[in-house]
Amino acid sequence: ELKVEQNPLFLSMQEGKNYTIYCNYSTTSDRLYWYRQDPGKSLESLFVLLSNGAVKQEGRLMASLDTKARLSTLHITAAVHDLSATYFCAVDGGRMLTFGGGTRLMVKP
Amino acid sequence: GAGVSQTPSNKVTEKGKYVELRCDPISGHTALYWYRQSLGQGPEFLIYFQGTGAADDSGLPNDRFFAVRPEGSVSTLKIQRTERGDSAVYLCASSLLPNYGYTFGSGTRLTVV
Repeated sequence: ELKVEQNPLFLSMQEGKNYTIYCNYSTTSDRLYWYRQDPGKSLESLFVLLSNGAVKQEGRLMASLDTKARLSTLHITAAVHDLSATYFCAVDGGRMLTFGGGTRLMVKP
Repeated sequence: GAGVSQTPSNKVTEKGKYVELRCDPISGHTALYWYRQSLGQGPEFLIYFQGTGAADDSGLPNDRFFAVRPEGSVSTLKIQRTERGDSAVYLCASSLLPNYGYTFGSGTRLTVV
């Protein structure tokens, strides 16, 4: 059974700081997604990582995938308040996505 | 349509009642998925359709839950004899190709009182 763990579960940070969210998963997969969810809203796709060593960047967010270590990271650079949301990683197990528990990010002015 | 549409957006029902939740996927998307998201948790897989058939229903929690997609487009998730523990947001997603490029709908928030 595929298990996906994210840490931290909650992250409070100051504007301008950098931080990394970690996503570990238990079985082999070469496809991983990162989503953002605002309160009461649905899931917004941020990144799709398709191969070992994949790195993608959009604005202040950068995601990477290490399939050998079964680890993905979402790095936040110089955080701003607008990034406050819950972030989920999801691993493609072949027939469905298995989501991590989410990281609730709060960026304080 | 432009996106995945789910109706209703909110549903309050009494314990023991029957409910139907509807998902209208992006036109031409052959794959359709249902997920359930409880408060403070990540979405959990319920069922996956490829065309009209359920390719994987291993996530349905029990036989009170059933889903159909009779014409390979719109899908309905049906819950019989609802329980308070069924309260959650039910998310639908579709993709052009199986397991790639998912688009999620806004969800139906189900509250069982």
